[in-house]
Amino acid sequence: EPEVTQTPSHQVTQMGQEVILRCVPISNHLYFYWYRQILGQKVEFLVSFYNNEISEKSEIFDDQFSVERPDGSNFTLKIRSTKLEDSAMYFCASSAQLFTEAFFGQGTRLTVV
Amino acid sequence: DAKTTQPPSMDCAEGRAANLPCNHSTISGNEYVYWYRQIHSQGPQYIIHGLKNNETNEMASLIITEDRKSSTLILPHATLRDTAVYYCIVAGGTSYGKLTFGQGTILTVHP
Repeated sequence: EPEVTQTPSHQVTQMGQEVILRCVPISNHLYFYWYRQILGQKVEFLVSFYNNEISEKSEIFDDQFSVERPDGSNFTLKIRSTKLEDSAMYFCASSAQLFTEAFFGQGTRLTVV
Repeated sequence: DAKTTQPPSMDCAEGRAANLPCNHSTISGNEYVYWYRQIHSQGPQYIIHGLKNNETNEMASLIITEDRKSSTLILPHATLRDTAVYYCIVAGGTSYGKLTFGQGTILTVHP
C-alpha cells in the first residue's frame, strides 16, 4: 500500500536554529499538507500546497515557516529560527484530489532545546 | 468549517459494534463529513467520508441523518486494535482540503 514517508522520525535542535522536515508524498497525489500536534493537544493545520503554491495557511504558519516542493517527489517544511514552542510532532499529508482521503505520514517529532 | 461535537470518551466490548456519534448542526450543503482516527501518537488514519448518503467500506459504516446535522460512525466488530481517538471532521466548501481536528472521542475497546 502506498504511504507518505517522513524523515527524520525525531529531530533535536537548539533554539534559534533552522530545521527542515522532509516528506515524500504518495507519487500521484496533487495536494500536500503539513499539520502539527503539540504533546497532549489537538492536531493543528499549518498549510496546504497545490500546483507549486500555498493554497491556504493557518495563523500558526507565520514568516518563520516556509514550504517547498524542490523536485517531483519531496515536500519540505522549513522553520527558520526555531523556538521552544515549536516542539511538536509534525505530520505531512497528501491527497489525490480535493475532498478525498488524506494520507498522513508517521510524523517527525521536533524537540527544540 | 462547521464545528463538530463528539463525546469525549466511549467504551466498547471486543467483538461488539462501536457506534460513535457526532453532531454537526451548522454543516453547509457542500461540506463533507470525514472520520479519522489516531492511535497513540501515530499519524491520523482516514476511515471514511460522505456527503449525504450512507457509506460503507472495509473498515466502517457512516450513517448521516437526512438533515445532515449529525452522523454515526459504526465499527461493526470492534477489536482491541481499534482503541484510538476518533475524529469527526466537517470539511469542504471553499477550503483547500484543510482538516480541522477537534478533541475527538477516545474509544477504548475492552476484552
